[in-house]
Amino acid sequence: GQNIDQPTEMTATEGAIVQINCTYQTSGFNGLFWYQQHAGEAPTFLSYNVLDGLEEKGRFSSFLSRSKGYSYLLLKELQMKDSASYLCAVRDYAAGNKLTFGGGTRVLVKP
Amino acid sequence: DAGVIQSPRHEVTEMGQEVTLRCKPISGHDYLFWYRQTMMRGLELLIYFNNNVPIDDSGMPEDRFSAKMPNASFSTLKIQPSEPRDSAVYFCASSTDGASKYGYTFGSGTRLTVV
Repeated sequence: GQNIDQPTEMTATEGAIVQINCTYQTSGFNGLFWYQQHAGEAPTFLSYNVLDGLEEKGRFSSFLSRSKGYSYLLLKELQMKDSASYLCAVRDYAAGNKLTFGGGTRVLVKP
Repeated sequence: DAGVIQSPRHEVTEMGQEVTLRCKPISGHDYLFWYRQTMMRGLELLIYFNNNVPIDDSGMPEDRFSAKMPNASFSTLKIQPSEPRDSAVYFCASSTDGASKYGYTFGSGTRLTVV
């Protein structure tokens, strides 16, 4: 099976930076995804990492270290609309390439 | 494309009744997934299909749950009989293949309340 851990909740100020960590254990790692989910809405794709390193996309960046089973999502220049849950998900080829999701981190951006 | 379409958006039913949730995946997506989301358990995979064939139903909680995909553009998730503990948001998602770097595209979900 897989074990995906991420903090339950984080609070940050508008304009600041927040880093959301995710650790995972998997037997057949085949990619890590970050999704954003606003309250009452569907999860939407943010980023994908399969090789070690940093992927940057505008204000959002995602980092992966496969040897450490670790990823983080970095949100810069926070805006009020970034208040949402952020879900870390791991794909495992030993499990038929299914995506397994962590419990999500609820980020609250304060003025 | 209209994205993944789910219906109904909200469903309130009495315990013991049959509930049917519906999903239309994105055209051309060969994979379809049914997830359930609750506060306690997060987002859990129930079952997924590849080319209309069920591949893995190990997440289906019990025999009261069943899913079908009669063609490439339609899938149903049925709960019979429903119980209060089935109350959750049920998401359908689709993807082009099993290793897409874009992951899954989710529908808007069906919020099910069983009273």
